[in-house]
Formats: sequence, structure tokens, C-alpha cells
Amino acid sequence: GQQVMQIPQYQHVQEGEDFTTYCNSSTTLSNIQWYKQRPGGHPVFLIQLVKSGEVKKQKRLTFQFGEAKKNSSLHITATQTTDVGTYFCAGRWGNKLVFGAGTILRVKS
Amino acid sequence: DSGVTQTPKHLITATGQRVTLRCSPRSGDLSVYWYQQSLDQGLQFLIQYYNGEERAKGNILERFSAQQFPDLHSELNLSSLELGDSALYFCASSVEPGANSPLHFGNGTRLTVT
Repeated sequence: GQQVMQIPQYQHVQEGEDFTTYCNSSTTLSNIQWYKQRPGGHPVFLIQLVKSGEVKKQKRLTFQFGEAKKNSSLHITATQTTDVGTYFCAGRWGNKLVFGAGTILRVKS
Repeated sequence: DSGVTQTPKHLITATGQRVTLRCSPRSGDLSVYWYQQSLDQGLQFLIQYYNGEERAKGNILERFSAQQFPDLHSELNLSSLELGDSALYFCASSVEPGANSPLHFGNGTRLTVT
């Protein structure tokens, strides 16, 4: 079945450091979505990437979709304590949206 | 507030029992998704409905079933419960089942099976 592999599983950074999480699929995706789940909360939609090679920015967050539409990354510049949570990518094949295992981000102030 | 309502928030029950989780989608959304979140397995896709019809199926056990009613609310039925079914169950909704619709998640129902 379709799977999205996400790494790293966990990252603990000092406030102000950068953070990156990566997602990979063995098959071509229709699109990829990114979600953030705060501790004790529910996943919240961040962004969707559709086109090959697409790059989108939201303030300190940069999202990329690979040329082959099989991988994606989320990069956070100069992390803040408000960035803590679990970041999930979700790959779409037709009607199915399959989530990666998530990357847990902890930020030390 | 995502606009997706899930009830109950918490459920504690014994092994072998049956429970029903309920979800009301965001106003205007026709598609409903169910996900199971366990500590060690992330968000597992269970099933999706669109306007009352099943659209996609994930790793949903035979002991689990779901439906979407004419008023678009959905119910997830879990039967013959086992300890391993303890998890957070999320419902999410979207405008359509298609490729470009983001999901809006409810706050989840935390199920504890003892």
C-alpha cells in the first residue's frame, strides 16, 4: 500500500536553531500536505504543494516539493518555542490521504 | 476552532464491548475521514465518506465500521474491543474528496479500553 516515510522521528533544538523534516514516497504523489499538531491538540493544516519543484514560504517556514513529486521537506528558520509540536506530511493518492509518522520538535529556550 | 465536532471527548470501556464515536463535519463539508492515532503508530487512515458513500478505505479492522448519514454526520462503530484499540480517534472533514482539499480535524475522542 501507499506509504510516506518521514524523518527524523524526533528533534530537539536550541531556540534560534533551524529545523528540517523530510518526507519520502516510493510512488508519485498527487500532492502533499503538511500539518502541525501541538501537544494535546489536533492536526492543523499548514499548506499544500501540488506542482513539481514547488516551493512555498510562510514566514519562517519553507516547504518544498521534489521534482519527481516523491519527496518533500519543511524547513523552519530560527525556531521559537511556539514551534513545538509534531509536524506531519500527508501524501495523497486519489482519494486517500496517508500521513507520515510525524516529526516531534522540541525547542529549548 | 476547526468547526468539526466530535463526541464524546473521552470514553472508557471494557474489553469485548462496543462503542460508537460521532462526528459532525464543518458546515459545507461533504467528506468525512476517520483516523486512529496511537502513541507508536502516528495517524492511521481508517475510512473516508463523501456525501453518504464510502470513498476510500485504509487499515480499518473488520470489527470496525462506519457510516455517513444524510445530514452528513458520521459514526464510527468499534466492536469486540481489545486493549490495543485504545487510542485517539480523529474525525476530519473537507469540502470534497478530491486532491486539493485540506482536512479540518476535530478534537478527537480518546478511547481507553480496560
